[in-house]
Amino acid sequence: QKEVEQNSGPLSVPEGAIASLNCTYSDRGSQSFFWYRQYSGKSPELIMFIYSNGDKEDGRFTAQLNKASQYVSLLIRDSQPSDSATYLCAVRGNSGYALNFGKGTSLLVTP
Amino acid sequence: DAGVIQSPRHEVTEMGQEVTLRCKPISGHNSLFWYRQTMMRGLELLIYFNNNVPIDDSGMPEDRFSAKMPNASFSTLKIQPSEPRDSAVYFCASSLVSGANVLTFGAGSRLTVL
Repeated sequence: QKEVEQNSGPLSVPEGAIASLNCTYSDRGSQSFFWYRQYSGKSPELIMFIYSNGDKEDGRFTAQLNKASQYVSLLIRDSQPSDSATYLCAVRGNSGYALNFGKGTSLLVTP
Repeated sequence: DAGVIQSPRHEVTEMGQEVTLRCKPISGHNSLFWYRQTMMRGLELLIYFNNNVPIDDSGMPEDRFSAKMPNASFSTLKIQPSEPRDSAVYFCASSLVSGANVLTFGAGSRLTVL
């Protein structure tokens, strides 16, 4: 079983701070990497995806990928209470279409 | 687009009963996925289809679970007989296999087996 590991949290940050969420994966052949956000009782929704080593920015969100270290992270700048949710890291290998998900990190942004 | 549509949203049944969950993918998407989510195990892939053909069903827990996709706009996940340990939220997702191939999830079906 290809593993995707995340710290379950909860990660608590004050409003306006930077939240840093981390994820490691075991399949060195993985090709693409996704971050989903899931509010309690709701379905996962895509935040962003990244394919190449380095950083990718989208508004307040930055995804960072280091394939050599098998590590992907999500930074949330100027965190808002509405960012409080579970963040799921997902990885697609080179042999299929499905995504393998981590168990998620719970983020709490306090006013 | 209405997104991925799942039904029922909630199902409460007794052990031993048959359960059928339904999914309508986004029009034009050619891949469909069934996931199960529990607190203990997170999101687990059960099965996925590409162009209505099952590609990987290695995540289906046991023979009590079966899935079909008779056409591009409909899929079912059936559990027969159901057991209390099947209680979970079952998500259907669909994607277009080109470009980013992003999965879009339905609202989920929450199953409780008593």
